[in-house]
Amino acid sequence: DADVTQTPRNRITKTGKRIMLECSQTKGHDRMYWYRQDPGLGLRLIYYSFDVKDINKGEISDGYSVSRQAQAKFSLSLESAIPNQTALYFCATSGSWTGGAQYFGPGTRLLVL
Amino acid sequence: QKEVEQDPGPLSVPEGAIVSLNCTYSNSAFQYFMWYRQYSRKGPELLMYTYSSGNKEDGRFTAQVDKSSKYISLFIRDSQPSDSATYLCAMSGGSQGNLIFGKGTKLSVKP
Repeated sequence: DADVTQTPRNRITKTGKRIMLECSQTKGHDRMYWYRQDPGLGLRLIYYSFDVKDINKGEISDGYSVSRQAQAKFSLSLESAIPNQTALYFCATSGSWTGGAQYFGPGTRLLVL
Repeated sequence: QKEVEQDPGPLSVPEGAIVSLNCTYSNSAFQYFMWYRQYSRKGPELLMYTYSSGNKEDGRFTAQVDKSSKYISLFIRDSQPSDSATYLCAMSGGSQGNLIFGKGTKLSVKP
């Protein structure tokens, strides 16, 4: 079984809809991250959480919100989706003992029409 | 100047060639250096991890860090078609810090 799982893997939605992307991990890591990846722009950090009670904005948090439901679960919400949020979204995890190395999920491909 | 610069390629080489991938960076506080491999439509996979300066070898892969020049490299020996992927460099200033990624170099190894 994969250590970091993301659901759904693919999603098509319409402008204005609220959607949630979910991430679960079995690695026992305390830190979790959400990134988006766009062609030519690379990976950009949206939000990150160092433990259940810690939430921090990343480089591009506008239009997004997150919830850390448990150490192993971190969800990303788009409150009112817009077409320029069409991207590949990745969840990642790390441990305070992994020297900064992060481990990525398989990604969610989101299309906003 | 961007914190991390990486040539996007694409880079095309014949099977068996030695591949050299590089990144430069501007922040002298970076101490942890990583290379990730990303196959099409997949998540990035940690390939190599290096702390501070020096070399690290793992099979056909060698990572080098030159902190004096703010330059890191990944060498792939005897490249295979299965090495075709995008390679991203990443670095951070400490184990508490967030990773800063390069934009990735797309590599194609032709049989």
